[in-house]
Amino acid sequence: NAGVMQNPRHLVRRRGQEARLRCSPMKGHSHVYWYRQLPEEGLKFMVYLQKENIIDESGMPKERFSAEFPKEGPSILRIQQVVRGDSAAYFCASSPPVAEYYGYTFGSGTRLTVV
Amino acid sequence: AQTVTQSQPEMSVQEAETVTLSCTYDTSENNYYLFWYKQPPSRQMILVIRQEAYKQQNATENRFSVNFQKAAKSFSLKISDSQLGDTAMYFCAFMTANYGQNFVFGPGTRLSVLP
Repeated sequence: NAGVMQNPRHLVRRRGQEARLRCSPMKGHSHVYWYRQLPEEGLKFMVYLQKENIIDESGMPKERFSAEFPKEGPSILRIQQVVRGDSAAYFCASSPPVAEYYGYTFGSGTRLTVV
Repeated sequence: AQTVTQSQPEMSVQEAETVTLSCTYDTSENNYYLFWYKQPPSRQMILVIRQEAYKQQNATENRFSVNFQKAAKSFSLKISDSQLGDTAMYFCAFMTANYGQNFVFGPGTRLSVLP
C-alpha cells in the first residue's frame, strides 16, 4: 500500500501562473482533505471531497482556488493566478468511506513557491 | 468554532530526559478526539498518539503519553527518554466526532533534542 501520494513534491511558479497539485488517496479511501501550512504555522483545513462531490469547502479562499476529485484519477487542487502569499506547503489526507479518525493518512505535501 | 492553542513555540531537552508539551483547546462539543502529530524536517505528518474524549484513561504509546484533563480542556504530551530522532515540530489537533470531520491544528511547538 503506497499511502497517500502527492505530486509534485516541490513546485515553483511565477506570479500569475497556475498551480496544479495532485493527490492520490490510499487504496480503498474515497474521502480526500486538503490542508495548507504557511511557514511556521499549523495546518489549516481547506476542503473536503468525496468522489465527484465537494462536501465542505469552508476553508477555501473564495477566489482563484478550486478542488476536484473525479470518478477516475487523483484529486486536484488548482490555484489560478498565483500570488506570493500562496507560497506554502499543501497537504492532502485521505480516509476510508466511514470517516473514522483512525483511518486518516497524510501525504508528504507539496511545497509551492511563488517567485 | 474550535480552537487549539500551544503556548510553547520552542522547547529543548537533553537526550534521555523527559519533556512535556502543552496544549489547550476550546470547544462546546462533548464527544471529540485529540491528537498529537509529529512533523520532522521531511515534512511528513506522523501520528504520535490519539485520545478519545469519552475515555478517562490517558493514552500511552511507548515513550509517549498524554495528560488529558477534559474539564480544563488540556491535552499535554509527555516524551520520556527523549531521543535525537524526536527532534521535530509537534502539533496538537482536535477533531469532532461528527461525520465528515476535519482536523483543527494548533500552531505547533518546535522541539529540539540535544545530545
